[in-house]
Amino acid sequence: DADVTQTPRNRITKTGKRIMLECSQTKGHDRMYWYRQDPGLGLRLIYYSFDVKDINKGEISDGYSVSRQAQAKFSLSLESAIPNQTALYFCATSDNTYEKLFFGSGTQLSVL
Amino acid sequence: GNSVTQMEGPVTLSEEAFLTINCTYTATGYPSLFWYVQYPGEGLQLLLKATKADDKGSNKGFEATYRKETTSFHLEKGSVQVSDSAVYFCAPGGGGGNKLTFGTGTQLKVEL
Repeated sequence: DADVTQTPRNRITKTGKRIMLECSQTKGHDRMYWYRQDPGLGLRLIYYSFDVKDINKGEISDGYSVSRQAQAKFSLSLESAIPNQTALYFCATSDNTYEKLFFGSGTQLSVL
Repeated sequence: GNSVTQMEGPVTLSEEAFLTINCTYTATGYPSLFWYVQYPGEGLQLLLKATKADDKGSNKGFEATYRKETTSFHLEKGSVQVSDSAVYFCAPGGGGGNKLTFGTGTQLKVEL
């Protein structure tokens, strides 16, 4: 079983819809992250959480929100999806030494 | 915050050719430096790292040396294989909150 699991793997939705992407991990790590990948732009950080009570905005948090339901779960929501949020989304975890990130397999989101 | 510049891809090589992917960065202080690799349809995974000046990270035949003077961390491999076809990301650590900053990624295609 994967250490970092993202659901769904693929999602197609319409403009204005609310979408939630989920991430769970069995690594036992405190730190969790949501990244977005776009062609030519690399990975950009949306939100990150260093423990259950800690939520921080990344470089592109507008239009997104997150919830850290437990140490192992970190969900990303798009309250009202728009087409330029079409991208590949990755969840990642790390331990407190921050020496290594562990990524999920990604969620491909298409907003029509 | 940190920033990183990678050579643009795609880079197309024949099997057994020599590979160099250039990476330069700007950062406060002397961060740890990382190369991540993304195989088709997968999330990123750590390829190698270096934690201080003149350190050489290595893994799977890939190497990169931490060059403080030129703020570079170029990735090299002496003889690439078809299985090395992937996207490679350079990432200095130590950004605010100890977050990684990813480059835009360089796609490598290795042909027989």
